[in-house]
Amino acid sequence: DGGITQSPKYLFRKEGQNVTLSCEQNLNHDAMYWYRQDPGQGLRLIYYSQIVNDFQKGDIAEGYSVSREKKESFPLTVTSAQKNPTAFYLCASSIEGRGYGYTFGSGTRLTVV
Amino acid sequence: GESVGLHLPTLSVQEGDNSIINCAYSNSASDYFIWYKQESGKGPQFIIDIRSNMDKRQGQRVTVLLNKTVKHLSLQIAATQPGDSAVYFCAENIWGQNFVFGPGTRLSVLP
Repeated sequence: DGGITQSPKYLFRKEGQNVTLSCEQNLNHDAMYWYRQDPGQGLRLIYYSQIVNDFQKGDIAEGYSVSREKKESFPLTVTSAQKNPTAFYLCASSIEGRGYGYTFGSGTRLTVV
Repeated sequence: GESVGLHLPTLSVQEGDNSIINCAYSNSASDYFIWYKQESGKGPQFIIDIRSNMDKRQGQRVTVLLNKTVKHLSLQIAATQPGDSAVYFCAENIWGQNFVFGPGTRLSVLP
């Protein structure tokens, strides 16, 4: 079955550490996205990529980095520069073009310990 | 959508009743809208979509209504079931831009 897989489901980070969240899709979608979800707030866009080897900052990119070396993969690194990283992180993908919704992964819950 | 802080709007309905969840979208130029359902600890799932050239669209037990005059979107769920308990949020889109997501409404189905 085609889908989008995020791992790990739960992740704990110590102060000052970088951690990387994995996102893989086998839907042959061109575009991929990372969102952050905090309680009571809408999804906020961190980074997005419309094609391989290209990505753009979203609304809250500070403290995060991404790469898009393969069409199927869009890993997100939460760096030590992100001062409040505890959140639920969602990866999504879509067909590039007009009028297509996003397919979401099941999310990674990151907690700073 | 505008953030409502730490507390989501909540709608509680009796099992078997109809539910109506509302969303005020932000941009009058938006021309495509989606409703998503998100269960606790999971990713959002697509429920139904509607384009701006329509004012109503029906799916299985769900109906979306679009009022462009007042920038309002609603999701109606018929004969609400316990499995419908989740957070529901709308997303708006202008062609060529990324989706903008609302904060959501928590639906609780009472036995």
